[in-house]
Amino acid sequence: GESVGLHLPTLSVQEGDNSIINCAYSNSASDYFIWYKQESGKGPQFIIDIRSNMDKRQGQRVTVLLNKTVKHLSLQIAATQPGDSAVYFCAENRGETSGSRLTFGEGTQLTVNP
Amino acid sequence: DAGVIQSPRHEVTEMGQEVTLRCKLISGHNSLFWYRQTMMRGLELLIYFNNNVPIDDSGMPEDRFSAKMPNASFSTLKIQPSEPRDSAVYFCASRIQGAREKLFFGSGTQLSVL
Repeated sequence: GESVGLHLPTLSVQEGDNSIINCAYSNSASDYFIWYKQESGKGPQFIIDIRSNMDKRQGQRVTVLLNKTVKHLSLQIAATQPGDSAVYFCAENRGETSGSRLTFGEGTQLTVNP
Repeated sequence: DAGVIQSPRHEVTEMGQEVTLRCKLISGHNSLFWYRQTMMRGLELLIYFNNNVPIDDSGMPEDRFSAKMPNASFSTLKIQPSEPRDSAVYFCASRIQGAREKLFFGSGTQLSVL
């Protein structure tokens, strides 16, 4: 299944399916992007990051794609498992100054059905 | 490593009371961020420090909020006087300064102001 983060904040998939979570960012100067996973009652946890000089990066069961032309970021989760159920946030790094800050998107709730 | 440690986990107080939230950074980290999370506004950056120095406090809602780093490993966020609209989950996060390193979040403090 797919979601557009700003317009569809929830995504429901069947266990074993692939999930795609989308995120649109606004600042063309952003040069670093991160996906975080937040489970209920916990703080956000780092999943994967990507720099703007790349368009794809793979981790364990996850892939992040970056399309700078349309300022779009996506997180693909392969063989989604019940433990993947959480809210997923994209975050962008704005600015080159030291200690630069991360700005988070609104999040997408992923529910994995057994 | 114990990770970022926040206390208390839950705080219930009455309007007008002073609230102090505490955060212990991961050893070796020198940047500290305070975020607030609500359903309406998502994750908002309140303030961040590099090497104990506040760099950007533009996200602090108003003068009722103040944050300090009395030493390199510890920070407090104080709200005085507290108001019901301050009810939220407050997270602190730490990282190594400079490079666009990932943030490590604590488990958060759930604040309820009655």
